[in-house]
Amino acid sequence: DAKTTQPPSMDCAEGRAANLPCNHSTISGNEYVYWYRQIHSQGPQYIIHGLKNNETNEMASLIITEDRKSSTLILPHATLRDTAVYYCIVRAHNAGNMLTFGGGTRLMVKP
Amino acid sequence: GAVVSQHPSWVICKSGTSVKIECRSLDFQATTMFWYRQFPKQSLMLMATSNEGSKATYEQGVEKDKFLINHASLTLSTLTVTSAHPEDSSFYICSARAQEANGNEQFFGPGTRLTVL
Repeated sequence: DAKTTQPPSMDCAEGRAANLPCNHSTISGNEYVYWYRQIHSQGPQYIIHGLKNNETNEMASLIITEDRKSSTLILPHATLRDTAVYYCIVRAHNAGNMLTFGGGTRLMVKP
Repeated sequence: GAVVSQHPSWVICKSGTSVKIECRSLDFQATTMFWYRQFPKQSLMLMATSNEGSKATYEQGVEKDKFLINHASLTLSTLTVTSAHPEDSSFYICSARAQEANGNEQFFGPGTRLTVL
């Protein structure tokens, strides 16, 4: 699976949009971009995934660049409960179904 | 949404004893379950992949005789840490993939915090 690069930490003001970047310059054509988050002392929570089109669900939006070498997870109105470590993972469909976690971005939402 | 539970949520044991952790998929059947370990301030590390009815596949560096995995049914996988030592103290997390998942999401359990004294 392709490697991803994320900033180790970010701050965001409560109520503002949180934009979390991820670089995956070696992504191949059959690899999806997945986002999970982990709130302290809990298991990871699935957020969203996409292949090449932008995606939106009730939690977040995923913007993937045209060349697919990077993506941005957007939390439109961050709340204190969004404070967590956010993991960007690139994985081929059915690639053993395992997820390989990198360091992630520790998002701190501040009042 | 799909729910995965783990039991116990935390356990404290003496060095040399064995501890069993259960992972259950509550509202779906999971052909594959994964076991991860997470040390403080570190990311999740995959330990093994467990397929129902067959032997688990362990990642490099994970001792299969120390971390026994049983996936006897489509809704239950167990991880037994045998002869636990303080260095085994960690946060153990399982995840499950639904039998007919579209999109390949994995659903994670809440984790089990193991402390070995």
